[in-house]
Amino acid sequence: SSELTQDPAVSVALGQTVRITCQGDSLRRYYASWYQQKPGQAPVLVIYEKNKRPSGIPDRFSGSNSGNTASLTITGAQAEDEADYYCHSRGSSGDPLVFGAGTKVTVL
Amino acid sequence: EVQLVESGGGLVKPGGSLRLSCAASGLTFSNAWMSWVRQAPGKGLEWVGRIKSESEGGTIDYAAAVKGRVTISRDDSRNILYLQMNSLKIEDTGVYYCTTWWVWGQGTLVTVSS
Repeated sequence: SSELTQDPAVSVALGQTVRITCQGDSLRRYYASWYQQKPGQAPVLVIYEKNKRPSGIPDRFSGSNSGNTASLTITGAQAEDEADYYCHSRGSSGDPLVFGAGTKVTVL
Repeated sequence: EVQLVESGGGLVKPGGSLRLSCAASGLTFSNAWMSWVRQAPGKGLEWVGRIKSESEGGTIDYAAAVKGRVTISRDDSRNILYLQMNSLKIEDTGVYYCTTWWVWGQGTLVTVSS
């Protein structure tokens, strides 16, 4: 099992807000990055260093951190946001770098 | 535009070997920390290993699942990242991506099967 724990799936109504969480001991010390992956495509970085967005990522994506939990929030979810989302950070006891198992976001 | 292009995937028997390549362009490759990430069919992302830039020591780290069986290397004169995989197991099957974290390649499929 991963050192970073994510809910397997969440759903959100079109235009509403959804928060995806990632829990792990290492998140008390290190920031999480978040990746979006659509079927058949490579992952895309959407949030890094807790709450920074790469160029081209819509501002409806935001990140936050509290204690051992990192969160990715999509405010005003769009149909194109339907994807798998993975958190990524340093490991706490095993591998130097780890991914969460991923959260499948469905936009209704 | 930064581009990463993986190659070298294919079908290999258990116990076999394969070398993947990742050709980089549009970035100062010698300064980049590069990682390999894999994804088994229908599964999540799994970090495989990372190599730092030579200027920062060139340190290489591996995931426990592959340590001792894979070797990451880089040729900064040719802007190419490598992943040498030996003693391949069925569970090594998947798409292998190279990435700077900011940019990802399209992946190359490795299938380990008898």
